[in-house]
Amino acid sequence: KAGVTQTPRYLIKTRGQQVTLSCSPISGHRSVSWYQQTPGQGLQFLFEYFSETQRNKGNFPGRFSGRQFSNSRSEMNVSTLELGDSALYLCASSLFGGWAGNTIYFGEGSWLTVV
Amino acid sequence: DAKTTQPNSMESNEEEPVHLPCNHSTISGTDYIHWYRQLPSQGPEYVIHGLTSNVNNRMASLAIAEDRKSSTLILHRATLRDAAVYYCIRVDNNNDMRFGAGTRLTVKP
Repeated sequence: KAGVTQTPRYLIKTRGQQVTLSCSPISGHRSVSWYQQTPGQGLQFLFEYFSETQRNKGNFPGRFSGRQFSNSRSEMNVSTLELGDSALYLCASSLFGGWAGNTIYFGEGSWLTVV
Repeated sequence: DAKTTQPNSMESNEEEPVHLPCNHSTISGTDYIHWYRQLPSQGPEYVIHGLTSNVNNRMASLAIAEDRKSSTLILHRATLRDAAVYYCIRVDNNNDMRFGAGTRLTVKP
């Protein structure tokens, strides 16, 4: 079956702009989570959605937001982009919410460059 | 601080076993240990996870110390395709995930 699909794969934005990234989970998966990966900070958890409800949130400013639709597809939005937001943004899906005892499947990520 | 610590890098020869260590000294009894790996330009890929007992699957084995303060991912016969960054991740009941910095594994032919 198809894996986690993220779009776009690559994008360049200007400081102050906003960006929306999209994620389609594996069919049947109701949990979608988002992560930021940078060389300096490594992998950091942004938030998780399960059945359209945000269940968990990492330590990121309010400029980072997300939502999940009834078909489990998810979007994340970053407003007022800063240079430090340049990163690989990863989406992951799973059958059950949370990590404990669960297998998480990652997409290939969206590479965001802010100039 | 609920960190996991891993060596920055390790090398292995092809066809030989590899033992990748992870320290999680503040782990509690209900925290899971997950291992993922990431190949260049790809998202992380699930390898294995466990709670208290050692675990085996087709990819690897996970050995968890009796006091649970450390664990070791074991690749029984390394191949060139196993070259990746391996992440040890501690997950607690509140779904708080603590990613290690990862170990870059180089496999030499």
